[in-house]
Amino acid sequence: EAQVTQNPRYLITVTGKKLTVTCSQNMNHEYMSWYRQDPGLGLRQIYYSMNVEVTDKGDVPEGYKVSRKEKRNFPLILESPSPNQTSLYFCASSPGGEKLFFGSGTQLSVL
Amino acid sequence: QKEVEQNSGPLSVPEGAIASLNCTYSDRGSQSFFWYRQYSGKSPELIMFIYSNGDKEDGRFTAQLNKASQYVSLLIRDSQPSDSATYLCAIDSGGGADGLTFGKGTHLIIQP
Repeated sequence: EAQVTQNPRYLITVTGKKLTVTCSQNMNHEYMSWYRQDPGLGLRQIYYSMNVEVTDKGDVPEGYKVSRKEKRNFPLILESPSPNQTSLYFCASSPGGEKLFFGSGTQLSVL
Repeated sequence: QKEVEQNSGPLSVPEGAIASLNCTYSDRGSQSFFWYRQYSGKSPELIMFIYSNGDKEDGRFTAQLNKASQYVSLLIRDSQPSDSATYLCAIDSGGGADGLTFGKGTHLIIQP
């Protein structure tokens, strides 16, 4: 089954404790991206990647890191999480950056 | 700064009626237009896309695009309670290099 898999689904952590949210797709898509969704602000892009070893900042990249060492994986790293990064996070992939296929989301709470 | 504007709603429509969702955008260079449906607590799901001026129909859904007015809409005919969701308008300004810009969504409620 074609899918984008994110883990974990829920995560509660404390300020400053490094964490990684994993994302993997099995559709051989070149394009992958991360979004965060907040009430009243909608979906905002954090980072995107056009291909292996090619990443670029989206609209809200501060406090986040990504890497794209393999085509299928695109982890999101929070080196020192803060409470303002509490949000619902979505990973997405696409054959060309347009028709996005979303993962099931990660609800992150930073205390 | 690319902007995509949607009325947040809620938009309440009786079952069986036509639901009309609207979206305006600021970037005249926008080339591709998408509608995503998002159920509460779930991920967005692509339901329609349109590239050219005019109407595009897919089952009960019709997307309408007017580039001159910078306006895109989604019509849902014979609305069902299962259509109750938040509908996100998304715009690509060309090439897909920096992804889509999303509106904040319209919350649609279909009343049985």
